[in-house]
Amino acid sequence: KQEVTQIPAALSVPEGENLVLNCSFTDSAIYNLQWFRQDPGKGLTSLLLIQSSQREQTSGRLNASLDKSSGRSTLYIAASQPGDSATYLCAVRRGSSASKIIFGSGTRLSIRP
Amino acid sequence: GAVVSQHPSWVICKSGTSVKIECRSLDFQATTMFWYRQFPKQSLMLMATSNEGSKATYEQGVEKDKFLINHASLTLSTLTVTSAHPEDSSFYICSAYHPQGAYDYEQYFGPGTRLTVT
Repeated sequence: KQEVTQIPAALSVPEGENLVLNCSFTDSAIYNLQWFRQDPGKGLTSLLLIQSSQREQTSGRLNASLDKSSGRSTLYIAASQPGDSATYLCAVRRGSSASKIIFGSGTRLSIRP
Repeated sequence: GAVVSQHPSWVICKSGTSVKIECRSLDFQATTMFWYRQFPKQSLMLMATSNEGSKATYEQGVEKDKFLINHASLTLSTLTVTSAHPEDSSFYICSAYHPQGAYDYEQYFGPGTRLTVT
């Protein structure tokens, strides 16, 4: 059974710092891994999607890496801003068909002005 | 891009009543939709997979008679919480698969429905 874990559960850093969020999964047989952002009381916003054959994806100040063999992914946020404050979720999908997504526990990020 | 909507965005109901939540794929047809539940400060937990024209598949521990799912059309799935109790208060999120080419799918999420049972 696939389990997805995110560390740390919560993180507070001053504005401007670079930071790394971690995600680990127990079954390396994944189809893709996705990072989402969730603001309080809101739905999910997809940030980056990495296919199993890829090593990393970048979008603006965000960079996500994937090491399938070790069951790990990281989300790197450069030059953090107060607007980055949110909960970040990683999720893995097993198959190419319409298979379900398993979510991690999330990291609540707070950027202090 | 693909858009998934939910209605209502929030609802308050009395204990013992039933409440229906709708999930719609606005600009695409979705044969498969998913229902998630999220308690405060926790992650999304998959409740069930909704398949158009067939019975939903429920995850272990989810009562199918309490959480009724109907996926009667390719653009609409409904979740009915029957005989709701305060412990059913939660944030419910649906998602739908949008085809990406001939063999792949990408999952799009609705904005969520906040249910409060008093």
